[in-house]
Amino acid sequence: KNQVEQSPQSLIILEGKNCTLQCNYTVSPFSNLRWYKQDTGRGPVSLTIMTFSENTKSNGRYTATLDADTKQSSLHITASQLSDSASYICVVSAREAAGNKLTFGGGTRVLVKP
Amino acid sequence: DTAVSQTPKYLVTQMGNDKSIKCEQNLGHDTMYWYKQDSKKFLKIMFSYNNKELIINETVPNRFSPKSPDKAHLNLHINSLELGDSAVYFCASSQDTGLYNEQFFGPGTRLTVL
Repeated sequence: KNQVEQSPQSLIILEGKNCTLQCNYTVSPFSNLRWYKQDTGRGPVSLTIMTFSENTKSNGRYTATLDADTKQSSLHITASQLSDSASYICVVSAREAAGNKLTFGGGTRVLVKP
Repeated sequence: DTAVSQTPKYLVTQMGNDKSIKCEQNLGHDTMYWYKQDSKKFLKIMFSYNNKELIINETVPNRFSPKSPDKAHLNLHINSLELGDSAVYFCASSQDTGLYNEQFFGPGTRLTVL
């Protein structure tokens, strides 16, 4: 069964500090891995998309890593800002015969405090 | 400019009623999706349409019936609403069914069944 697990479930950090979120997956056959940011009351917004051959990808202060051998990914937030308070969702895409089916993790809720 | 829009944003209704949620995208995309986000925040695919044709139909009760009158619209009709249908429903779209295409999400419709 395809699954995506994220840790921690939630975390609180002080503005300006860094943090790292973890994602483990058992999706097969693997196609790509995405990180989404979901603000409260809004739809998810894509941060990064990584394929099997990519180890790291950055989007501003967000840097995602992927280890396809161990089926792990991380999202690092540098110099956090109050606007980074949101849920961060790890999403893995499987090669399907029909369509592009995504498996979502439960998210890590990040709260940045001043 | 709203890329993916949904109406209504909030929907409160009684058990047994029939309701519809509308979705429209102005991105010129071929593929549209409906997702359900439960209380544990997991997003799960319900349906996917490509060029008005159903391509993904997860194990969803047949009380849920999607309708795509054209490529830019994918509406969701729910018959005989049950308490367990309470959730946030997200519409999304992507260029096509390509594995690496980004999915753009709407703002969500929070459905509460009393």
